[in-house]
Amino acid sequence: ILNVEQSPQSLHVQEGDSTNFTCSFPSSNFYALHWYRWETAKSPEALFVMTLNGDEKKKGRISATLNTKEGYSYLYIKGSQPEDSATYLCAGLGTYKYIFGTGTRLKVLA
Amino acid sequence: DVKVTQSSRYLVKRTGEKVFLECVQDMDHENMFWYRQDPGLGLRLIYFSYDVKMKEKGDIPEGYSVSREKKERFSLILESASTNQTSMYLCASRNLQGPSSYEQYFGPGTRLTVT
Repeated sequence: ILNVEQSPQSLHVQEGDSTNFTCSFPSSNFYALHWYRWETAKSPEALFVMTLNGDEKKKGRISATLNTKEGYSYLYIKGSQPEDSATYLCAGLGTYKYIFGTGTRLKVLA
Repeated sequence: DVKVTQSSRYLVKRTGEKVFLECVQDMDHENMFWYRQDPGLGLRLIYFSYDVKMKEKGDIPEGYSVSREKKERFSLILESASTNQTSMYLCASRNLQGPSSYEQYFGPGTRLTVT
């Protein structure tokens, strides 16, 4: 995996809105795709580890899907809350190391 | 819970000083990593270690070295700090066994300023 890209770079949504972000990666040498949530002044926290094409994972109001053939993953947040405000990072795991995207900074407005 | 700790949250050093950033994990993880994070860039890998006394260069190793004498501790060393090493430094560890294998656990980060 040479390059992982995330979009958008930043996002403001109103409380209660649902939202989604994209992570794209080259599909060759793919082993796994990780999503992390990184709140200010805290450690990045793993949300999902996804390995199989078609994987769908869910944790509360947050879910993610994976398409390894076309090289993208979506992260969805349903009914955003102010506490969801954070930077969401994705990382592709290739042969032996992770390549991180630059993150999507989400701000949920009350 | 896995815990990864870093020796300092904030650090200010002068140009030319030798700087040690320490990272300790308490879950007997084999792999450990040092990243830096700069505005507009993703986390970039500086060095990683497969196991004790083993180290591999990441994408941006220049100006850094590492030490892993014990499994739980991975140190990042700036031999002669420069202003372009002002950054947020994150340590991570990873288990290769069990249901959470390949999941990285991060420390809280050290924000280093070199003046």
